[in-house]
Amino acid sequence: AQKVTQAQTEISVVEKEDVTLDCVYETRDTTYYLFWYKQPPSGELVFLIRRNSFDEQNEISGRYSWNFQKSTSSFNFTITASQVVDSAVYFCAQRRYNNNDMRFGAGTRLTVKP
Amino acid sequence: ETGVTQSPTHLIKTRGQQVTLRCSSQSGHNTVSWYQQALGQGPQFIFQYYREEENGRGNFPPRFSGLQFPNYSSELNVNALELDDSALYLCASSSGGPADTQYFGPGTRLTVL
Repeated sequence: AQKVTQAQTEISVVEKEDVTLDCVYETRDTTYYLFWYKQPPSGELVFLIRRNSFDEQNEISGRYSWNFQKSTSSFNFTITASQVVDSAVYFCAQRRYNNNDMRFGAGTRLTVKP
Repeated sequence: ETGVTQSPTHLIKTRGQQVTLRCSSQSGHNTVSWYQQALGQGPQFIFQYYREEENGRGNFPPRFSGLQFPNYSSELNVNALELDDSALYLCASSSGGPADTQYFGPGTRLTVL
């Protein structure tokens, strides 16, 4: 069965600190997709990244980076030099190939203090 | 912004009533998915519509139903509302392929009293 676990319920950091959000997933599939979404207080889920199971290359986009490790079934998200605008709830999600049911973790609430 | 719109923004209903939520998909997208997000939880998949047909359903009872129209906009209908139906309802549109990414709208906050 598919399951996504975000063990960190809440994280609080001071601006300019680096922060890593953890995501662990369970699946028996060989082909699947992993996602990160950001949910600011407005409620809209903002797409950040999609990763294919057959591509373990890490990715960097500005201050954001993602570390995908199939061996540990983890897909962690790091924000470098955090900013107050990064404050939001972040969700990790998984979807099976050619399947429409996207499974979300419970989310991690990140608070960045000035 | 994703181009996905939802209406209304907020809604208050009483137990037993029926509600209809609406979603307009992003231009070029033919697939709409609906999710329920209870307070403090991650979104849960309700169902998906692809080219006006239901294309998969999560663990939700039949009183949750939907429609998709020829312009790919969609409705979510919930009958016999229960208190536990209070949640943020999110609509996501996508291009419909097996590897597509879903882009979400701002959601409708439903409160059932």
